[in-house]
Amino acid sequence: GEDVEQSLFLSVREGDSSVINCTYTDSSSTYLYWYKQEPGAGLQLLTYIFSNMDMKQDQRLTVLLNKKDKHLSLRIADTQTGDSAIYFCAEGVRDDKIIFGKGTRLHILP
Amino acid sequence: SAVISQKPSRDICQRGTSLTIQCQVDSQVTMMFWYRQQPGQSLTLIATANQGSEATYESGFVIDKFPISRPNLTFSTLTVSNMSPEDSSIYLCSVTVSSYEQYFGPGTRLTVT
Repeated sequence: GEDVEQSLFLSVREGDSSVINCTYTDSSSTYLYWYKQEPGAGLQLLTYIFSNMDMKQDQRLTVLLNKKDKHLSLRIADTQTGDSAIYFCAEGVRDDKIIFGKGTRLHILP
Repeated sequence: SAVISQKPSRDICQRGTSLTIQCQVDSQVTMMFWYRQQPGQSLTLIATANQGSEATYESGFVIDKFPISRPNLTFSTLTVSNMSPEDSSIYLCSVTVSSYEQYFGPGTRLTVT
């Protein structure tokens, strides 16, 4: 079945890079997503990547996709305190449905 | 993108009652979705709501418990019926703007006592 796995916690020092990893199972996924959820807030679409791409860069965010291994990563350069949040990896499956991972809680150390 | 609002933003309800959550979008969209996020958990899709047709429910969710209306292309409601404490969750609606961009509302935080 469809499943998205990601580690639950990540601690990073302010100014360092954060790398959040994710694996998915549906090889027919056309789009893969990263959403951000700050405490008490809804989900913010951070970025997405089409399945025929290897990399996408958007300012401090870099998404890497290894379709062969079904591995997706999100790199946040120069991590700031405002980046503290839960980051959800998600895959787009049929009929516009999205399957979410459990989320990675990113904690920023001073 | 799309601007999505939900009402209420939060509520505390008694066991056995029902709550209707509203979702309003600032543009016409074909597909709307309802998700549940239980405390400390990921999002689980409840149902897909398309205007002019019955909602399509995911495994484990039934219409009698979560009736959905979709009267037009900018609005939908989700009712949580005969609530129990296990229904305490954040309920989120979402819309697809294009075939790949899905945006979420701020969520409705429901506590059932």
